[in-house]
Amino acid sequence: DAKTTQPTSMDCAEGRAANLPCNHSTISGNEYVYWYRQIHSQGPQYIIHGLKNNETNEMASLIITEDRKSSTLILPHATLRDTAVYYCIGLIQGAQKLVFGQGTRLTINP
Amino acid sequence: GAVVSQHPSWVICKSGTSVKIECRSLDFQATTMFWYRQFPKQSLMLMATSNEGSKATYEQGVEKDKFLINHASLTLSTLTVTSAHPEDSSFYICSASRTSGGTYEQYFGPGTRLTVT
Repeated sequence: DAKTTQPTSMDCAEGRAANLPCNHSTISGNEYVYWYRQIHSQGPQYIIHGLKNNETNEMASLIITEDRKSSTLILPHATLRDTAVYYCIGLIQGAQKLVFGQGTRLTINP
Repeated sequence: GAVVSQHPSWVICKSGTSVKIECRSLDFQATTMFWYRQFPKQSLMLMATSNEGSKATYEQGVEKDKFLINHASLTLSTLTVTSAHPEDSSFYICSASRTSGGTYEQYFGPGTRLTVT
């Protein structure tokens, strides 16, 4: 699975869009990008995943660059409850083990 | 999304005793379950992978005789911390996976906080 690199921390104002970057320059062609978040003292929560195309669901949007070396998770209207650690994880198709890095600690400020 | 539960949510035990943590997938059958451990201010570390009816696969450095995993059914896995010591105090999180419509999904439980005194 590709090594992913994320900023250690980010701040965002409540109501604004939060854009969380992730670099995965060694990602392979059959490797998905998964995003999870962990609110303090809880289990991780699935957000979204994608392979090549941009994806959107009720929680967020995932923008993957054409060369697939990086991606951005977008929370369109951040709320205080979005404060969490966000993890970007590469997972090869058919594999199962999610390996968590250090993630980005996102703080939403009022 | 699917729901995974853990029991208990927190436990305090004395050094030398054993503690069992249960992980259940409530509304789906999980092909595989995973156990993670998380120390304060650190990321999740995978301890082991278990499939129903077979022995768990442990990650390097995880003692299989200390962390006993039983995966009795497609909806239940248990982790027993044997002869617990204060250094085993941690946040233990399980997850359960399935493939739905060709998409791989993994859902996490709420975690169990273990404190060994």
